[in-house]
Amino acid sequence: NAGVTQTPKFRVLKTGQSMTLLCAQDMNHEYMYWYRQDPGMGLRLIHYSVGEGTTAKGEVPDGYNVSRLKKQNFLLGLESAAPSQTSVYFCASSYERRSVSETQYFGPGTRLLVL
Amino acid sequence: AQKITQTQPGMFVQEKEAVTLDCTYDTSDPSYGLFWYKQPSSGEMIFLIYQGSYDQQNATEGRYSLNFQKARKSANLVISASQLGDSAMYFCAMREGSMNTGFQKLVFGTGTRLLVSP
Repeated sequence: NAGVTQTPKFRVLKTGQSMTLLCAQDMNHEYMYWYRQDPGMGLRLIHYSVGEGTTAKGEVPDGYNVSRLKKQNFLLGLESAAPSQTSVYFCASSYERRSVSETQYFGPGTRLLVL
Repeated sequence: AQKITQTQPGMFVQEKEAVTLDCTYDTSDPSYGLFWYKQPSSGEMIFLIYQGSYDQQNATEGRYSLNFQKARKSANLVISASQLGDSAMYFCAMREGSMNTGFQKLVFGTGTRLLVSP
């Protein structure tokens, strides 16, 4: 049982390049999330999905796109990377239950450096 | 306004001593949940403990306990008998319970870095 996995672990991009971050979970969770973590700012929600085929914007969605074609996978895309997108990206997942107690389980993170 | 405030950027504690990490929150929703996560230097986010707004007792999980003071809107994490492996960043987070939105976002504080010395 791997939990939440992220690919790649680390990537360096040049400004303007594109890339896709892959998140996979094997816990049959309905909800999946993408966060970014910047120094001194905690985690901020980029996009999220409440089920296969659905996506929605979070707190900081600009410059990112997402897709959830399969329940277990949630992809985060950067079409034209900018230095401001240098960050650590975390994927998380949780069950569907609409409860304040629902815990999110996080992947190990992806470090992205945009030059 | 900040939903979650962690005022301690860094804390130091000696091994085997107890330490309290502060967290205050801001919400007008009567239903909410409070979480603490640990982020060691390896980077992963590890769930530690949860407290619901309607819970009558403070949450405990092993050496972790949550000092929940609802009237003061604080949810401090207490780590007893600190260990070297407790050195990490600690994040407080909150989810509000409004059912109208259909989705309840988890909002994080900026974190406190704890260093445990021998």
